[in-house]
Formats: sequence, C-alpha cells, structure tokens
Amino acid sequence: GENVEQHPSTLSVQEGDSAVIKCTYSDSASNYFPWYKQELGKRPQLIIDIRSNVGEKKDQRIAVTLNKTAKHFSLHITETQPEDSAVYFCAASKPRPFSGGYNKLIFGAGTRLAVHP
Amino acid sequence: DTEVTQTPKHLVMGMTNKKSLKCEQHMGHRAMYWYKQKAKKPPELMFVYSYEKLSINESVPSRFSPECPNSSLLNLHLHALQPEDSALYLCASSQVGQGPKLFFGSGTQLSVL
Repeated sequence: GENVEQHPSTLSVQEGDSAVIKCTYSDSASNYFPWYKQELGKRPQLIIDIRSNVGEKKDQRIAVTLNKTAKHFSLHITETQPEDSAVYFCAASKPRPFSGGYNKLIFGAGTRLAVHP
Repeated sequence: DTEVTQTPKHLVMGMTNKKSLKCEQHMGHRAMYWYKQKAKKPPELMFVYSYEKLSINESVPSRFSPECPNSSLLNLHLHALQPEDSALYLCASSQVGQGPKLFFGSGTQLSVL
C-alpha cells in the first residue's frame, strides 16, 4: 500500500534561519500533497498543499516543492520564528477510481520543529 | 463559519461506561471523518462518512460506533473501551472529492481507566 516517509524526525534551528522538511511517497498515482502544522495540544491545521500538476507553490514564508519523477516533496520555511515551533506532518493521497469518492490521506510520521530565539 | 466543533474537550471513562463524542460543522462539507491520534504520532483514520453514509471503516473494533445524524453532525459512540484506546480523537470535514482538504476539530482527549 501507499507509504509516506518523512525526514528529519526532529529539527532545531535558530530564529531567522530556514527549515526544510522532506517527504517521499511510494505510489506514483498520488496527486495531492498537503502539509499540516500541529502545535502542542492543538488541532492539525492545513498550512499549504500542492497538486501533482504543479511543481512549486508559495505562501508568504512557506513553500512546497514537488518532484514527481523522484516521488518526493518538501516544505520550506524561511525566516523562521518561534511561533513556527510545532510538529509538521506531510501527507499524500491518490484519486479514487470514481468521481466524488473519498481520497484517503496517508500521513508521514511527523517532524518536530523547534525554533530558538 | 470555518470551524469544526468537538465536545467534550476532555473525557475520562471506565471500561464499563458508555459515552459519546460529538462533532459539528457548518461549512457545507459532505465528508466527515473520525481520526485517532496517539502522542507523537500522526492521525490514524477510523471512519469516513460521505453524504451521511459510512463509506470507510478502517477495521475499527465494534466498541467504537459512528453515527452521522445529518450533514452537519457526526457522533462517535464508545462502549467497553480498553486503556489502550486512550488517545486524542479528532473529527474532520472536507468537501467531497477535493484533496481531501481536511479541516480538523480541536479533538477530545480521552482517557480510559
């Protein structure tokens, strides 16, 4: 079945530095790749997503890149701030065989990002 | 309203108790989900409702019983749980067939004694 590997499991950076988290997926049919941020004791929140027909997407300080050939995608956070400290989950899903069906999300194991002032 | 609301926020129950978790959304989403999350782990899918019908059951034990009374509400009925069922239970919703781009509720932190 589909598998998503996420690295690193922990990441520590100084405020202002960049942070990069990488994920690799196994199923070449996957076409949707979201990233969720989960602060301690809070809900996971979608921060950015990308579809397979796009190679890169940016939203202010965060960006996601997708390499379909290599089957990996990455989250880039620039000018990190202490409030970026959280666990980040990547995920992947592929289309169901019929329209309107459910596309199961497969999550990576998560990356704990710590941004030190 | 872009919120998914879950109640209660915390729940402690014994192994012989019956309790229910509740979830509500008013975003017009027709897909609703229950996830279970253990500490330091990603969410694990339990159930998916699409247009108020159960479409996915990820081999969840029968002591967990989902219910979708209408397009805005989702319940999870709990009975005879085990201590290993202690976890954060997350409800989520999405448009059908779009992603899925999930909106999560804040969760119910469940402890089974």
